[in-house]
Amino acid sequence: QSALTQPPSASGSPGQSVTISCTGTSSDVGAYNYVSWYQQHPGKAPKVMIYEVTKRPSGVPDRFSGSKSGNTASLTVSGLQAEDEADYYCSSYAGTNNLGVFGTGTKVTVL
Amino acid sequence: QITLKESGPALVKATQTLTLTCTFSGFSLRTHGEGVGWIRQPPGQALEWVALIYWDDDKRYSPSLRSRLTITKDTSKKQVVLTMTNMDPVDTGTYYCTRYGYFFDSGRYYHDFWGQGTLVTVSS
Repeated sequence: QSALTQPPSASGSPGQSVTISCTGTSSDVGAYNYVSWYQQHPGKAPKVMIYEVTKRPSGVPDRFSGSKSGNTASLTVSGLQAEDEADYYCSSYAGTNNLGVFGTGTKVTVL
Repeated sequence: QITLKESGPALVKATQTLTLTCTFSGFSLRTHGEGVGWIRQPPGQALEWVALIYWDDDKRYSPSLRSRLTITKDTSKKQVVLTMTNMDPVDTGTYYCTRYGYFFDSGRYYHDFWGQGTLVTVSS
């Protein structure tokens, strides 16, 4: 499978919102409601922020929200804070016989 | 409390075989739906699926790496072992193990817990 497409970068000022897109195909993002998003700070392991398109694990602030339309999923971070500056990766399930696929990654900068 | 930790050599030579071990705790890998995956990340690059093993010994491999990979589990030791043959400098990166699968009370098909990662450098 090919990697999901994300913009290389996104930015916003503190308090603003930023939205990251994640475009796949009808075989992955478009076919299943199993899109997840991961936050990765430099030198650290990724951390799940959203799973099953819209669900937040316990402890993740409600400033983080997810959505999906067709073959494109999105992550929105509202009320940007300095600690939100990180790399973000989407991922999608791609069927029983496949491993799934990650996105190309987006670096979010808080101005 | 669920934890995972990767271990293995930090440096391998080209053409050698890499063996990485993921030692986990807080789950058994005997429960329906549970799996352990390996994800890698070359320096400055994106995450990439490598391999996955489920509680029932079902296995999945990256199509581009399939011929070089073997994943096994030893639930009595709470370990998952990944073997990658014929290593190349392009295989340099951080290798993570994760818990993945479908869980009755916490969702499906995502990596809910990650190890700290282990950096593997392949020298030519």
